[in-house]
Amino acid sequence: DAGVIQSPRHEVTEMGQEVTLRCKPISGHDYLFWYRQTMMRGLELLIYFNNNVPIDDSGMPEDRFSAKMPNASFSTLKIQPSEPRDSAVYFCASSLSSGEETQYFGPGTRLLVL
Amino acid sequence: GNSVTQMEGPVTLSEEAFLTINCTYTATGYPSLFWYVQYPGEGLQLLLKATKADDKGSNKGFEATYRKETTSFHLEKGSVQVSDSAVYFCALGAQNTGGFKTIFGAGTRLFVKA
Repeated sequence: DAGVIQSPRHEVTEMGQEVTLRCKPISGHDYLFWYRQTMMRGLELLIYFNNNVPIDDSGMPEDRFSAKMPNASFSTLKIQPSEPRDSAVYFCASSLSSGEETQYFGPGTRLLVL
Repeated sequence: GNSVTQMEGPVTLSEEAFLTINCTYTATGYPSLFWYVQYPGEGLQLLLKATKADDKGSNKGFEATYRKETTSFHLEKGSVQVSDSAVYFCALGAQNTGGFKTIFGAGTRLFVKA
């Protein structure tokens, strides 16, 4: 398996622009997670899905952030409008359905908002 | 609620030195415990895990023992190498409303000098 795939790997945009990050989880994994990592705040869970349904979005910073999972093999995280403080590395991870399961992380998308 | 506390970094060691990174947790019930490692420019990857009290997880010379009496899961390695330089995350996984949730510590950066 190719592992968790994220695109783009790097994104540079200007404040106010819409940004869409994409993720393809490992086939057969029922859970999908979106994280944000910054030096100041460390690794933060933004939202996670179980069987394509959002379960906990309490980590989403504000209404500018939205996430969807239209099917088992694809998810997006959208920021509209983007702000400089959104600059971070965004990771997608997936895991199997039952408890005690390992999360498999993608390589991340490094976002810079100017 | 559930939480993870790990020692602050950075930790700087010479090659072949002994490594300990402390991790303690707070949780209800019987969580699973994990150590993840993040190499520069990459996503997190599982290093080792333990799913019940007194279990020892091990991988690549690293070990950690699930100590319920002290609520700890300290990471150890007898002889570190330059290639072990990375950020190490202690994590706790437990069931909550809606499914299994992993909580990550703040991470400890390790530098190993030749």
